[in-house]
Amino acid sequence: QKEVEQDPGPLSVPEGAIVSLNCTYSNSAFQYFMWYRQYSRKGPELLMYTYSSGNKEDGRFTAQVDKSSKYISLFIRDSQPSDSATYLCAMFLSSTASKLTFGTGTRLQVTL
Amino acid sequence: DAGVTQSPTHLIKTRGQQVTLRCSPKSGHDTVSWYQQALGQGPQFIFQYYEEEERQRGNFPDRFSGHQFPNYSSELNVNALLLGDSALYLCASSLGGTGHAFFGQGTRLTVV
Repeated sequence: QKEVEQDPGPLSVPEGAIVSLNCTYSNSAFQYFMWYRQYSRKGPELLMYTYSSGNKEDGRFTAQVDKSSKYISLFIRDSQPSDSATYLCAMFLSSTASKLTFGTGTRLQVTL
Repeated sequence: DAGVTQSPTHLIKTRGQQVTLRCSPKSGHDTVSWYQQALGQGPQFIFQYYEEEERQRGNFPDRFSGHQFPNYSSELNVNALLLGDSALYLCASSLGGTGHAFFGQGTRLTVV
């Protein structure tokens, strides 16, 4: 079993839709959670960074963490074609053990 | 402010050869981590350098080695290349080893 599970998709939605991307993890010691966006043939770009359980909002993006269920989500409101990319969840244990453990990524396609 | 820069962007090598990849961290960052991303997969942690020392290492063989210089830049060396080493190699930098990591655009290595 992988430490972090993520549905690889692809996920196709029409422009303007609300997108929900999810990851589950098995190691309850993970404390910090991140979402990266990766365009084809590019490096990952940090979107959201959260520590505690609950919601964090930044523009059209909302990150949600439920540590009791070991489940994290990223919501994208009013999705745009420019949001078409692979979304990677990542997590790490602490500042002294900060290697990132990634999910496999979910490929998102937003259509006109 | 320059972000994380990696060189070269693309590289083709023959099985058995050796390769060196280079990374300059984001200005102000002192920690460099290296990741390997196979096609369709999430990045896998190779190792992390902080204060010129290897601080953490993932499940990669000794053929993978690295170095960090006093200016915080870093190199990844891979000896005795195998076909399976073909991947996108990503460098990430952060401050003080926190997981708030920023990635470069990657080096795409093809082993033939």
